[in-house]
Amino acid sequence: KQEVTQIPAALSVPEGENLVLNCSFTDSAIYNLQWFRQDPGKGLTSLLLIQSSQREQTSGRLNASLDKSSGRSTLYIAASQPGDSATYLCAVRRGSNYKLTFGKGTLLTVNP
Amino acid sequence: GAVVSQHPSWVICKSGTSVKIECRSLDFQATTMFWYRQFPKQSLMLMATSNEGSKATYEQGVEKDKFLINHASLTLSTLTVTSAHPEDSSFYICSARDGRDEQFFGPGTRLTVL
Repeated sequence: KQEVTQIPAALSVPEGENLVLNCSFTDSAIYNLQWFRQDPGKGLTSLLLIQSSQREQTSGRLNASLDKSSGRSTLYIAASQPGDSATYLCAVRRGSNYKLTFGKGTLLTVNP
Repeated sequence: GAVVSQHPSWVICKSGTSVKIECRSLDFQATTMFWYRQFPKQSLMLMATSNEGSKATYEQGVEKDKFLINHASLTLSTLTVTSAHPEDSSFYICSARDGRDEQFFGPGTRLTVL
């Protein structure tokens, strides 16, 4: 059974700092991995999707990497801003059935 | 980008009543929709997968008679929580797939059962 772990559970940083969020998964036979953002009491916003054949994806200040063989992904946020404060979730797709397995998320607080 | 809506955004009901939550894909046809529930500070747990015109596939441990799912069209899926109890209080989120690899998530519905 696939398990997804995110470390740290919470992170507080000053504005402007670069930071890394970690995601690990137990079964490396994944189809793709997706990073989401969730604001309190809200749904999920997709940030980046990395296919299993890819090593990284970039969008603006965000960069996600994937090392499938070691079961790890990182989300790098450059020059963090208070508006980046949210919970960041990673999810892996197990195969052709499109089911996603989520981690518990990292609660990020960026202080002005 | 693809937009998914949910209605209502929050609902409070008495124990024993049934509650229906709607999930709509607004600008695309969703071949598959998914229903998740999320407890505070926990990850999203997949409840069921529904394909238009066929019965939903439920995850292990999810009672199909308690959580009725109907996917009558390519843009609408409904989740009905029957005979709701306080332990059913949770955040319910749907997602929809447009035939490609990404899932697009709705804003969620907060259910509180008194």
